[in-house]
Amino acid sequence: SQQGEEDPQALSIQEGENATMNCSYKTSINNLQWYRQNSGRGLVHLILIRSNEREKHSGRLRVTLDTSKKSSSLLITASRAADTASYFCAVAYYNQGGKLIFGQGTELSVKP
Amino acid sequence: GAGVSQSPSNKVTEKGKDVELRCDPISGHTALYWYRQSLGQGLEFLIYFQGNSAPDKSGLPSDRFSAERTGGSVSTLTIQRTQQEDSAVYLCASTNWGGGEETQYFGPGTRLLVL
Repeated sequence: SQQGEEDPQALSIQEGENATMNCSYKTSINNLQWYRQNSGRGLVHLILIRSNEREKHSGRLRVTLDTSKKSSSLLITASRAADTASYFCAVAYYNQGGKLIFGQGTELSVKP
Repeated sequence: GAGVSQSPSNKVTEKGKDVELRCDPISGHTALYWYRQSLGQGLEFLIYFQGNSAPDKSGLPSDRFSAERTGGSVSTLTIQRTQQEDSAVYLCASTNWGGGEETQYFGPGTRLLVL
């Protein structure tokens, strides 16, 4: 299976702490994207990182990509209760028209 | 501008009936994707359309599933003779793949329940 793997499956932290989620994949990718999902509905795009990039930032979010280890991490700094959601990584492989292969997701709970 | 829209939001049907799910992509986006999210299988790719090219149907789980995209815009996913295992949230996404855009923008999904 080309499906990415994420860990941890679930993460519970206190407000103000940092949350780190990891994603691994199997073969060379075009890009890797992180999404957030609240209550099992639509996916909200967070960050896209291309295979030739190593790190990207967006507000309190930091994404790193290590192509040698075929892995990525999403760091949420100074977490808030509103960050409580499921987070998914998804990879797009070359020559596959951009279709995304998703990981199983990490369920993040931020306690006030 | 408007994002990706899907209809209906929720659909309850009886086993054996056919259903049609609709997706309106972002205007100007050349590529449209269907995904399914179910408890046992997570998020899985179903089919995608890119411009006038033949669609990639490699993710469709059975021949009961089909999709079309008319005029390069609106898409309809049809499930014939629905089964209980078809119950899931069906998500549509669009992007301007090949036109410098790689981010996929998702609609709110259609929650399908087959009784």
